[in-house]
Amino acid sequence: LAKTTQPISMDSYEGQEVNITCSHNNIATNDYITWYQQFPSQGPRFIIQGYKTKVTNEVASLFIPADRKSSTLSLPRVSLSDTAVYYCLVGTGGGNKLTFGTGTQLKVEL
Amino acid sequence: GAVVSQHPSRVICKSGTSVKIECRSLDFQATTMFWYRQFPKKSLMLMATSNEGSKATYEQGVEKDKFLINHASLTLSTLTVTSAHPEDSSFYICSATRTGGYYEQYFGPGTRLTVT
Repeated sequence: LAKTTQPISMDSYEGQEVNITCSHNNIATNDYITWYQQFPSQGPRFIIQGYKTKVTNEVASLFIPADRKSSTLSLPRVSLSDTAVYYCLVGTGGGNKLTFGTGTQLKVEL
Repeated sequence: GAVVSQHPSRVICKSGTSVKIECRSLDFQATTMFWYRQFPKKSLMLMATSNEGSKATYEQGVEKDKFLINHASLTLSTLTVTSAHPEDSSFYICSATRTGGYYEQYFGPGTRLTVT
């Protein structure tokens, strides 16, 4: 399973754009990249998933360079409610297991 | 769609007793479900992979006789913590993947277990 490396923590202010980068040097050809958000005492929530280039949905964008050895989650105009832990995971589809890394604790202040 | 529920959300039990936690996929069929545990301010640790109709696959270091997993139907998996001890106190989270679906795992809200 590809291992991921993320910053342990990040701080930001309301209204700013936040970019969280994840390294996954050993990503395999069939692996997708998925980001989850977790609030305290809750299960993780799916944010976005991608394979290459750029993916955008209503809450975030995911940038993946051509070599796919890293990815960047971009959260536009964060608010206090975006304070959470963000996990980057890589893996294949179906019922294959996921390995969670340390995640990034994002703290958004006024 | 793709909602996963867990019951109970919180449970307190005495040392030596057993506790069962249910994980249900409410609006889809889940061939595979996963069980995680999470300690305070730590990441999720996979305990086992549960496949409907077959024995669960446990991660290294997880005692299969202590953490009994049953996946009797495509919408229900249960985790039973047997002879619970205070060190089993943790946040237990399940997830499920759709039958025939691709990659996304849908997570339940978690169960907070406290063993006194």
